[in-house]
This record gives sequence, C-alpha cells and structure tokens, in this order.
Amino acid sequence: EDKVVQSPLSLVVHEGDTVTLNCSYEVTNFRSLLWYKQEKKAPTFLFMLTSSGIEKKSGRLSSILDKKELFSILNITATQTGDSAVYLCAVGNFNKFYFGSGTKLNVKP
Amino acid sequence: EPEVTQTPSHQVTQMGQEVILRCVPISNHLYFYWYRQILGQKVEFLVSFYNNEISEKSEIFDDQFSVERPDGSNFTLKIRSTKLEDSAMYFCASSGLERTDTQYFGPGTRLTVL
Repeated sequence: EDKVVQSPLSLVVHEGDTVTLNCSYEVTNFRSLLWYKQEKKAPTFLFMLTSSGIEKKSGRLSSILDKKELFSILNITATQTGDSAVYLCAVGNFNKFYFGSGTKLNVKP
Repeated sequence: EPEVTQTPSHQVTQMGQEVILRCVPISNHLYFYWYRQILGQKVEFLVSFYNNEISEKSEIFDDQFSVERPDGSNFTLKIRSTKLEDSAMYFCASSGLERTDTQYFGPGTRLTVL
C-alpha cells in the first residue's frame, strides 16, 4: 500500500531556531515530491522535488530529496512566528498524489 | 498572479441532498484534481481529470461522486446523496502541462452535512 509518513507530528521551537521536517514515502511509480504549507485553509506550494541530491532553496527554507532512501527533508532556518503552520508532504504517482499527515510547527516568540 | 477559485466557500446541506462544488482552475492548466480534508485529518485524494475524462480515482470516489468540466473553465464535483461523513473541506487543484507540475490549490469549500 502506498504511503507517506511525516515526522515529527508536531514541533514547538523558539524564534531563531532551525528546524528539520522529515517525509518518507513508499509510493509506486514515484514521479515527484511536493512540500506545502497549510495555515488556515488551502495548502500553499513550497517546493517540488524530482531528482535526488539537488537542494531547492527559497529564502530561509530549503529541501532535498533522496530517492534511494525514499525520503525528503524540509529545513527552516532562523524560524519566525509566521512560520507556524502545518507542513505537508505529498508524493506524486502519475495522476494521484498521496499526502502525509503533516508536521504542525509552532514557533514561539 | 493566477489562482484557483472555488465556490461556495461554505455549503450547508441536509443528508441525502445533492451538492455541486465549483472550481475555476488556472486558465492554461490541463490537469485537475479534487481532494478532501476531514477536520483534523490528512488531505485525501479523490479524483484527477485530464482531457475531459477521469484519469484516476480513489476508493473514496464511489458512485455518489461525479466530476464534470461543463464549459471549458469550470470544474465541478457533484455528490448525489450526501452523508454525514461527507462533511469536510473540499479542495480543487490544477496543474500545467506536465503531470508532475506543481499543483495549485483553491481556497476550498467547507461542506457541512446535517
């Protein structure tokens, strides 16, 4: 059965800390892995990863994929209270995407 | 910036009634999706749609569900006879030329079945 597992389920840090969120997957016919940030409603896109070892960066966020070990990490450096959200990992298999349960990040002032 | 829109934002209905949730995908996108998220649970795939037909559907997407692209811009999800357990946030998403393109999500429709 295809599945996506994220860890930790929740995380509380203080502003300025660095966090690493994990996503492991077992999906047949893997094509891409996507990271989303979900605050109150719809997930907003962060990164799409298709190749191993190539880091994607956007400001304080970065992500990398390991297709051999079947996982991805999302790093957030110098966290801010505005980073508080649920971070979702989704893995694409042709026409279908499987989502993990998400990591709830709470950044305290 | 182009965005996916959904209407209504909140729909309340009685059990057994039919509902139609509407989505307008980003205009040059070719792949369309419906997901649902029951409160406190993970986002679940329902169905994907390309070239005017269903590409793939999940076990959740049974005979009570149907999708349609009636006019080249709207993408609708119909639930024929709603059940209490259909209460959830329903998200529409679209992506561009490649199946692995980024999916952009609409703001969602909260469906409450009483």
